[in-house]
Amino acid sequence: DSGVTQTPKHLITATGQRVTLRCSPRSGDLSVYWYQQSLDQGLQFLIQYYNGEERAKGNILERFSAQQFPDLHSELNLSSLELGDSALYFCASSIASGGAFYEQYFGPGTRLTVT
Amino acid sequence: GESVGLHLPTLSVQEGDNSIINCAYSNSASDYFIWYKQESGKGPQFIIDIRSNMDKRQGQRVTVLLNKTVKHLSLQIAATQPGDSAVYFCAEGGAQKLVFGQGTRLTINP
Repeated sequence: DSGVTQTPKHLITATGQRVTLRCSPRSGDLSVYWYQQSLDQGLQFLIQYYNGEERAKGNILERFSAQQFPDLHSELNLSSLELGDSALYFCASSIASGGAFYEQYFGPGTRLTVT
Repeated sequence: GESVGLHLPTLSVQEGDNSIINCAYSNSASDYFIWYKQESGKGPQFIIDIRSNMDKRQGQRVTVLLNKTVKHLSLQIAATQPGDSAVYFCAEGGAQKLVFGQGTRLTINP
């Protein structure tokens, strides 16, 4: 158990819908990272937050957004969902701020299926 | 563009043998490299990391080698066990993000 929790574990929704994925980092970690893992794209970095502020952006679509709240949990919002958005979404946390890399601890993931 | 690739998508080894998983990276500015293990249905789990100022780092039954000249990274697992069956990802870090490779699936033959 990494100490990172993600909910829900599974999510099935229809195209065009909007969903919210939730992540709680390990106690003491200030950074939260979101990743998308699909069969043909591997593990893709989406976005990082540090202590409530966006710190780094990766291959995140404009239909996707995220935020980190004062209690440090984070939410990833996916809207206007398409079939191709079906994937595993992982959250990771680390103690680090941006600019330096430390060990990231991954949550168990949310499996999103868009039908 | 930046990319991290793997030489072999699958690797099958006999239980008890040593496993070597290879990874090529393209960004010579990367200063941090990590190996992750992902078991079925779970999130990636940190195995070992190495900074660009090092050539070798050892952990428990694992060794990571970094060859910056040819931009190559490898993970060596000693005395491979059934519990080592998983997909192994290398990742390179620089600036503020990690770039992951596609992964190598390691299977253990009894």
